Amino acid sequence: GDSVTQMEGPVTLSEEAFLTINCTYTATGYPSLFWYVQYPGEGLQLLLKATKADDKGSNKGFEATYRKETTSFHLEKGSVQVSDSAVYFCALLTYNTDKLIFGTGTRLQVFP
Amino acid sequence: DAGITQSPRHKVTETGTPVTLRCHQTENHRYMYWYRQDPGHGLRLIHYSYGVKDTDKGEVSDGYSVSRSKTEDFLLTLESATSSQTSVYFCAISESQAFSGANVLTFGAGSRLTVL
Repeated sequence: GDSVTQMEGPVTLSEEAFLTINCTYTATGYPSLFWYVQYPGEGLQLLLKATKADDKGSNKGFEATYRKETTSFHLEKGSVQVSDSAVYFCALLTYNTDKLIFGTGTRLQVFP
Repeated sequence: DAGITQSPRHKVTETGTPVTLRCHQTENHRYMYWYRQDPGHGLRLIHYSYGVKDTDKGEVSDGYSVSRSKTEDFLLTLESATSSQTSVYFCAISESQAFSGANVLTFGAGSRLTVL
């Protein structure tokens, strides 16, 4: 079945470091891909998305490129801030369903 | 939380008791979802609704039922709570269908349930 695999956390970085959080997927057809972020004590918020191969989603300095050849959608940011500390979820939505499939989440901790 | 209210936000109950969680939206969105969040599992879909009185099961529906008698309300019921249902429950809404390519979920703040 369709699934999403994320790297284990926590990811611990110093402020202004470069961030990569890996995400790979398995799906039939051509899914849409998403990154959601969950700040402490809150629900999930959409961070960025890409709906077809080679699309790049971007928001708040974060980027992810839909790579069909490697079935990946890695999240990157050039310079993280303490305020980026949160849990990040990769998710996919296949063509013929109304349901998102989430990865297990990766906790990011950024220290000053 | 963009027009989504979950209640209660926190509840502690005992094994075997019934529990109902409520999700209320003011966005008039057609689709509503209930997820549970557990360490190591991410978010898993329990049930969802694609309109009033139209609901379907997700991947972890056993032990849960739902009802949607009005567009704005989606209720999740645990008929007889068990300790394995201790979790954080999130409601989500979306306006468009999946294959529009624009489907975006908006989440509530969550309801933390502890079953002793």
